[in-house]
Amino acid sequence: GAVVSQHPSRVICKSGTSVKIECRSLDFQATTMFWYRQFPKKSLMLMATSNEGSKATYEQGVEKDKFLINHASLTLSTLTVTSAHPEDSSFYICSARTSGRHNEQFFGPGTRLTVL
Amino acid sequence: GNSVTQMEGPVTLSEEAFLTINCTYTATGYPSLFWYVQYPGEGLQLLLKATKADDKGSNKGFEATYRKETTSFHLEKGSVQVSDSAVYFCALSGFTGGGNKLTFGTGTQLKVEL
Repeated sequence: GAVVSQHPSRVICKSGTSVKIECRSLDFQATTMFWYRQFPKKSLMLMATSNEGSKATYEQGVEKDKFLINHASLTLSTLTVTSAHPEDSSFYICSARTSGRHNEQFFGPGTRLTVL
Repeated sequence: GNSVTQMEGPVTLSEEAFLTINCTYTATGYPSLFWYVQYPGEGLQLLLKATKADDKGSNKGFEATYRKETTSFHLEKGSVQVSDSAVYFCALSGFTGGGNKLTFGTGTQLKVEL
C-alpha cells in the first residue's frame, strides 16, 4: 500500500522557536497533501490543504502566518510552526492523496510537538 | 456543517467478544462514510468505506452499513482479537465550500484482552 512518512516523530522545543515538520509520500506522487491537528481525545482537525506548486488553502481560524505550509514537490510537503508557544503543543498529522487511487487519503504516523 | 459523533472509549473487550462502535453523522447531501484504524505508532489506515445508502463496507472481519434513515455507520466485528487493539475513527467525506474534505469523529480506543 501507499506509505506516507513524517519527520520528526517527536520534537520538543523552547517557546519562540520555529519547528519544521516534513511529510513525504514514499511510493506515489501526491497531488494534494493535508495537514491535521489532533488534541487529546479530540477529532483530527483539518488545518490546511495544499496542492503541489500552489499556495495552501487554510481552514477558518488557522493562522497562515503561524503555520507555514510548503508543497514544493509531488512527494514532499512541510509544515513550519513559527514562533511556537505552549498552546501549539499538539499532535500533527499529514495525509497525501493522489488522483489515481480513487481519491483515497494515506496518512502519516504523526508528529508530537511539545513547546516548553 | 458536517460532523461525526462516535462513542467514547476506551472500550475493553475479551478476545472473541462481539464489537460494536457506534457512529452517527450530520451532513448535507450524500457523503461517503469511512472507518479508519490507527495502530500504536502508525498512521491512520482506511479500514472500510461505503459510498451510498445501504452499502455495506467490510474488511478483516469488520463491517459497517450506511444507514441514511438513522444517519449511522456503526462498526461491528463478530469476534475480536488482541491484534485489533487500536484507535478507530469514523469519518465522512462531503463537499463543503472549500472542496471535498474528511470530517472525523473523536476516535474510540479499543483494548482487547486475553
